[in-house]
Amino acid sequence: DIQMTQSPSSLSASVGARVTMTCRASQSIRDDLSWYQQKPGEAPKLLIYGASTLHSGVSSRFSGSGSGTEFALTISGLLPEDSATYYCQQSFTTQWTFGQGTKVEIK
Amino acid sequence: QVQLIQSGAEVKKPGASVKVSCKAAGYTFTNSDITWVRQATGQGFEWMGWMDPDNGDTRYAQKFQGRVTMTRDTSITTASMELSSLTFDDTAVYFCARRSRFPGGSWGYYYGMDVWGQGTTVTVTS
Repeated sequence: DIQMTQSPSSLSASVGARVTMTCRASQSIRDDLSWYQQKPGEAPKLLIYGASTLHSGVSSRFSGSGSGTEFALTISGLLPEDSATYYCQQSFTTQWTFGQGTKVEIK
Repeated sequence: QVQLIQSGAEVKKPGASVKVSCKAAGYTFTNSDITWVRQATGQGFEWMGWMDPDNGDTRYAQKFQGRVTMTRDTSITTASMELSSLTFDDTAVYFCARRSRFPGGSWGYYYGMDVWGQGTTVTVTS
């Protein structure tokens, strides 16, 4: 299976800040990568698919980039409601795998 | 509105089986695959597999092969996931999600799980 490694495991930033988290695949997955946001006690929410395409209804403060093995999720203008854990997930192979998550806290 | 509604919490003994259901509403059930994902407390996600409600085709994660069965009943727009031979390590929240295709990419589409059920807690305890 393809291993997905996210970093950092957690970060803390102030309201209004720009934060970036990364996701690395153990082999090339082209751009078959999605990002999800999960808040405590809730189901995940799709933010980005195809590594960089914003899902319908998702704030433009979120952006994704990368291809091959290196990917990034950036949140611009951090808001209190962005406090959550963010997961990357590859769909390049038929055996899907997730990263272990990056927890974003607001200072 | 478009939603997936899952069955309630389950408590099972080791060695037993559990069946979780996922009712689709607000869209054409047979047009999109249903995936199953689980999450142990404080942990990340583990993909279990997907099922095509149109023809019943399935693809399971290798880890669960032989122990998981995904089925559907199109008459009631409901997908189900049954996991057998439960152990304590199967204690988790189980989610169903709609696997949608979006235009683009080398294959002509990208996948994304765009609608999720609320989750079903399965506790395995002696």
